Amino acid sequence: GNSVTQMEGPVTLSEEAFLTINCTYTATGYPSLFWYVQYPGEGLQLLLKATKADDKGSNKGFEATYRKETTSFHLEKGSVQVSDSAVYFCALSDNSGAGSYQLTFGKGTKLSVIP
Amino acid sequence: NAGVTQTPKFQVLKTGQSMTLQCAQDMNHNSMYWYRQDPGMGLRLIYYSASEGTTDKGEVPNGYNVSRLNKREFSLRLESAAPSQTSVYFCASSDGQGSGYGYTFGSGTRLTVV
Repeated sequence: GNSVTQMEGPVTLSEEAFLTINCTYTATGYPSLFWYVQYPGEGLQLLLKATKADDKGSNKGFEATYRKETTSFHLEKGSVQVSDSAVYFCALSDNSGAGSYQLTFGKGTKLSVIP
Repeated sequence: NAGVTQTPKFQVLKTGQSMTLQCAQDMNHNSMYWYRQDPGMGLRLIYYSASEGTTDKGEVPNGYNVSRLNKREFSLRLESAAPSQTSVYFCASSDGQGSGYGYTFGSGTRLTVV
């Protein structure tokens, strides 16, 4: 079956530091890959996505590249801000065979950015 | 604003009580989902509905039932609540036409069973 493994947190960084959150996946087909972000007390929001190998998703200064050879989709940001403090979820979407595309999530990585 | 609306936002139940969590989307999406989020466990799929008129079990369906009332609405029912069902519940929807579309999530229902 499908699975997503992401680095465990929490991760604490100083403002303007470089961020990497590792994510690797196992899938039987050719999935699409996503990063979602959850701010305190809110639901999940789509941060970025990539639908095929070597695609790079980007948004709000965050980037992730779909690496089929290493089955990875690591999230990076060059300079984090206090407002980036949130929980980040890596996910993959694959055909469930039942007419819908189910998302499989990693367990989430909590990021805290301190001034 | 277009999106997924969940009600209620907070609920406290006593063990054995029943309740229904409501979810509605206005994006004309085909597929709808119910997840629960627990600390250290990520999000786990309870039930989903690939299209109007169909529902299927996810990873953790025990103790829950669902109804896809129409294309817009997908409700989750707890018939006899247990403390193990204390969690944050999220409803989501998707176009369902391809793997690249992702989901749109509601803001969640925080349920406590005492």
